[in-house]
Amino acid sequence: ELKVEQNPLFLSMQEGKNYTIYCNYSTTSDRLYWYRQDPGKSLESLFVLLSNGAVKQEGRLMASLDTKARLSTLHITAAVHDLSATYFCAVMDSNYQLIWGAGTKLIIKP
Amino acid sequence: GAGVSQSPSNKVTEKGKDVELRCDPISGHTALYWYRQRLGQGLEFLIYFQGNSAPDKSGLPSDRFSAERTGESVSTLTIQRTQQEDSAVYLCASSAGTGSSRQYFGPGTRLTVT
Repeated sequence: ELKVEQNPLFLSMQEGKNYTIYCNYSTTSDRLYWYRQDPGKSLESLFVLLSNGAVKQEGRLMASLDTKARLSTLHITAAVHDLSATYFCAVMDSNYQLIWGAGTKLIIKP
Repeated sequence: GAGVSQSPSNKVTEKGKDVELRCDPISGHTALYWYRQRLGQGLEFLIYFQGNSAPDKSGLPSDRFSAERTGESVSTLTIQRTQQEDSAVYLCASSAGTGSSRQYFGPGTRLTVT
């Protein structure tokens, strides 16, 4: 059974700093997704990572996938307040279901 | 609109009543997913449809929960004899297919069982 773990679950940081959110999963998969959720809102797709070594970047966010280590990272560069949200990773299992991490609540203070 | 829509946006119901939640996927999307999200928690997979078929119903929490999809379009999630623990946001997503397709989420239905 595929399990997905994110850490940290909560992160408070200052604007301008860099940080990384980690997503580990327990069984083989080469399809990983990152989503953002603002309070009271639905989920917004950020990145789709489909192969080992995949790296995607948009603005101050960069996501990467290492399928051998079963690890994805979401790196935040020079954080700004607008990036405050909860970030979820999700991994596709062999039945084409997305298995979700618990989410990382990110608060960026001015 | 071009996105996934859900109705109602909010539903308050008394314990023991039945509720029906609706999802309109993006036109042409063959795959449709239902998730439940309790307050402050991640997403719990409930069921998905490929076309009008539901290959996997194992995520449904109990036999009080059922879902159907017609015309490869609208889906309804029905909860019978609601319980307080059913209170959550129910999210629907659609994608162009299973596999690597990105899922696009609707705004959710917030269900409160009193």
